[in-house]
Amino acid sequence: EAGVAQSPRYKIIEKRQSVAFWCNPISGHATLYWYQQILGQGPKLLIQFQNNGVVDDSQLPKDRFSAERLKGVDSTLKIQPAKLEDSAVYLCASRHISRGIEQYFGPGTRLTVT
Amino acid sequence: AQSVAQPEDQVNVAEGNPLTVKCTYSVSGNPYLFWYVQYPNRGLQFLLKYITGDNLVKGSYGFEAEFNKSQTSFHLKKPSALVSDSALYFCAVRDLNTGFQKLVFGTGTRLLVSP
Repeated sequence: EAGVAQSPRYKIIEKRQSVAFWCNPISGHATLYWYQQILGQGPKLLIQFQNNGVVDDSQLPKDRFSAERLKGVDSTLKIQPAKLEDSAVYLCASRHISRGIEQYFGPGTRLTVT
Repeated sequence: AQSVAQPEDQVNVAEGNPLTVKCTYSVSGNPYLFWYVQYPNRGLQFLLKYITGDNLVKGSYGFEAEFNKSQTSFHLKKPSALVSDSALYFCAVRDLNTGFQKLVFGTGTRLLVSP
């Protein structure tokens, strides 16, 4: 089966600009996660969806970050306006509800804010 | 709060030698523990997990991990390292507080296997 797809792979923007990332999870995976991985650190969960509903966004900086999963499949993560400290790799992961608890990750989007 | 610690930023080992990447955990209740590997410019790949049962868990690519409750550890091991095992390794624990299968990751350990 196809893995988790993400685009773009790389993005360079200036501070105060906006940016959007796209994720297509593994087919049939109802749970979708967005993580932020800053260089030298482990991934940190930003938001978790179950189908098209948000189940955990406690670590999402809601003043500038937003995410949606309107039809319960694809998801987009947006940053507006971006700050220098948002430079990181943004990882999308998905999980099937009843086939184990491990998550499957996409290749990530590397964001550089200048 | 659930957490894991990876005390080594980097582990160096010669090809053919056994390797160990360390992880300790702090959880309330029974831990669900994971190891993931990250190759350059790629996402994390699942290696193995411990939920319950046998303390020695076998995973992908010849890796295994030993769960030790008394030492609150979950060290990753491989009997004979390959140069291709060089990558970034992350230990993770399921956060029980939310109940929605949230993972908390360690800071990662870079494994370098020399020829």
